[in-house]
Amino acid sequence: AQSVAQPEDQVNVAEGNPLTVKCTYSVSGNPYLFWYVQYPNRGLQFLLKYITGDNLVKGSYGFEAEFNKSQTSFHLKKPSALVSDSALYFCAVRPGYSSASKIIFGSGTRLSIRP
Amino acid sequence: KAGVTQTPRYLIKTRGQQVTLSCSPISGHRSVSWYQQTPGQGLQFLFEYFSETQRNKGNFPGRFSGRQFSNSRSEMNVSTLELGDSALYLCASSLLGTGIANTGELFFGEGSRLTVL
Repeated sequence: AQSVAQPEDQVNVAEGNPLTVKCTYSVSGNPYLFWYVQYPNRGLQFLLKYITGDNLVKGSYGFEAEFNKSQTSFHLKKPSALVSDSALYFCAVRPGYSSASKIIFGSGTRLSIRP
Repeated sequence: KAGVTQTPRYLIKTRGQQVTLSCSPISGHRSVSWYQQTPGQGLQFLFEYFSETQRNKGNFPGRFSGRQFSNSRSEMNVSTLELGDSALYLCASSLLGTGIANTGELFFGEGSRLTVL
């Protein structure tokens, strides 16, 4: 069965410092991997995705994510955090072999950037 | 292009009542998925509809049901409401299944926040 784990409920970072939000996955075959962000009382917004190709994927708002097949990880990163990055972040996975399979979300990580 | 629209945004019901939530997907998207989000349980998959057929289903009781119309708009219904049904219900649409190039990322609406008293 496919699954996604976000081991940290909360990540605290000082503004200007680099940030990492961790995600590991388990899926049959090649995975399609996604990151979403949710601001208070809003829906989820798509940040970036990994389908194939370059292991480093760049997305919205200066975020990037690194796909590591051997470690089955897809960590979200940003070189310099902003206070406005404070939000709830979700990692998600879908098996790439089937267009009919559902996307499974991790439990979410709350990112807090202090000024 | 208009985004995913969910109505109503907020609603309050009492135990035992039933509720219907509506979702209009992005034009051209034929897949609609529903998720329940609560502080304790996170984001839980309810079901997915594609071309008016339920294609995937989560682990929710039969009180939770949905349907999709020929114009891809979707509704979900919860009958005999319980206090634990209080949550943010999110709808998401996708191009999934409509072409080999699409990778199925979801586009979410703002959600319908249901409070059960």
